[in-house]
Amino acid sequence: QLQLQESGPGLVKPSETLSLTCIVSGGSISSGSYYWGWIRQPPGQGLEWIGNISDSGSTYYNPSLKSRVTISVDTSKKQFSLQLSSVTAADTAVYYCARQLSGTYHSDFWGQGTLVTVSS
Amino acid sequence: QSALTQPASVSGSPGQSIAISCTGTSSDVGGYNYVSWYQQYPGKAPKLMIYDVSKRPSGISDRFSGSKSGNTASLTISGLQAEDEADYYCSSYTSSSSPVVFGGGTKLTVL
Repeated sequence: QLQLQESGPGLVKPSETLSLTCIVSGGSISSGSYYWGWIRQPPGQGLEWIGNISDSGSTYYNPSLKSRVTISVDTSKKQFSLQLSSVTAADTAVYYCARQLSGTYHSDFWGQGTLVTVSS
Repeated sequence: QSALTQPASVSGSPGQSIAISCTGTSSDVGGYNYVSWYQQYPGKAPKLMIYDVSKRPSGISDRFSGSKSGNTASLTISGLQAEDEADYYCSSYTSSSSPVVFGGGTKLTVL
């Protein structure tokens, strides 16, 4: 059974860069059929799609975050990463990684999520 | 403001059927058969319930069904059970801006 697990600091200072990694286990990260994505959810609010990446490095980003987001993949380590720069309190959220079907981008497997708080 | 519009809340009694709507535009819901629905319990990750408008992933009860008419998609839950009480989010592929947009979510209460 495919499993995804997010890891990274739970506290980030304003203006710094948020960095998270998602480790994929129980399946391959190298498949032309899937993208690997990030979705976030501020406390008490709805879901926001951040972006995704294919195993070959093709990316799509949410335009509202594009100037601050970088998603990368390391297929040898079966992991992909999110970097969000110049964070503010508005970036406080639970961050989920997920597998997304290429072309339609629905997310069929999700990580458990990790809360990142932006505070000094 | 979410790109897709959902009612904030719906409710129903055990055994009844309810429907949750998800309204978009011709650039997303109306233009593609790529609407998906997610169920989320408090403190848990979302779970895919419906994809491609009406397809169910393996293991999802057939009490959950999806449909679409024009720019509005719907998730119907029949034979409501207490365990169905959760938040539900719709999502769609979109040709404008980012390729994925979500609805604001609907809280389902089982009375």
